[in-house]
Amino acid sequence: GAGVSQSPSNKVTEKGKDVELRCDPISGHTALYWYRQSLGQGLEFLIYFQGNSAPDKSGLPSDRFSAERTGGSVSTLTIQRTQQEDSAVYLCASSEVNPYEQYFGPGTRLTVT
Amino acid sequence: GENVEQHPSTLSVQEGDSAVIKCTYSDSASNYFPWYKQELGKRPQLIIDIRSNVGEKKDQRIAVTLNKTAKHFSLHITETQPEDSAVYFCAASSPGNTPLVFGKGTRLSVIA
Repeated sequence: GAGVSQSPSNKVTEKGKDVELRCDPISGHTALYWYRQSLGQGLEFLIYFQGNSAPDKSGLPSDRFSAERTGGSVSTLTIQRTQQEDSAVYLCASSEVNPYEQYFGPGTRLTVT
Repeated sequence: GENVEQHPSTLSVQEGDSAVIKCTYSDSASNYFPWYKQELGKRPQLIIDIRSNVGEKKDQRIAVTLNKTAKHFSLHITETQPEDSAVYFCAASSPGNTPLVFGKGTRLSVIA
């Protein structure tokens, strides 16, 4: 079946602009995660959604970052007033339940100029 | 909260040799320990996982061992091949509605 998809695959934006990154999880997966991965670095946890529970936002680096998950499916990560240090690959993952196997999407490579 | 430490950060082995990557965790209640492999330019993928009710699990050339008393777990790759070259991430999860905590990764290079 279809895996996790993300769009866009690449995004170049100017410093100070807002961006929206989209994640379509695997159908039926109740858990959804966002991670950030800078070049050659590890997986930085950003936010986690589990069903109808309040999201775990403990990894968001600043109040410029926010995310929502509509209808328990698609999720959007929004970065306001982008900075150069926001440049990274943003990965989304989903799982049937937490903490079973996470299936990662291909990522969105964000470049802030 | 949970903290996962992973060592070494880089590892080079000759083709055919074994590779071992070690992780420690801080929360004694953690009960799920997966390992992910990320090839260059690709997404992470689960290669093996273990739950706290077992001490070892094998899948062909890959094995994971868990020592709950010492709070550490290890990935063992035998008869390494060039295609094993990748970054490997360990992770741990506590019970309840908490996300996985990942280690910082180990870059494995298998030299032909």
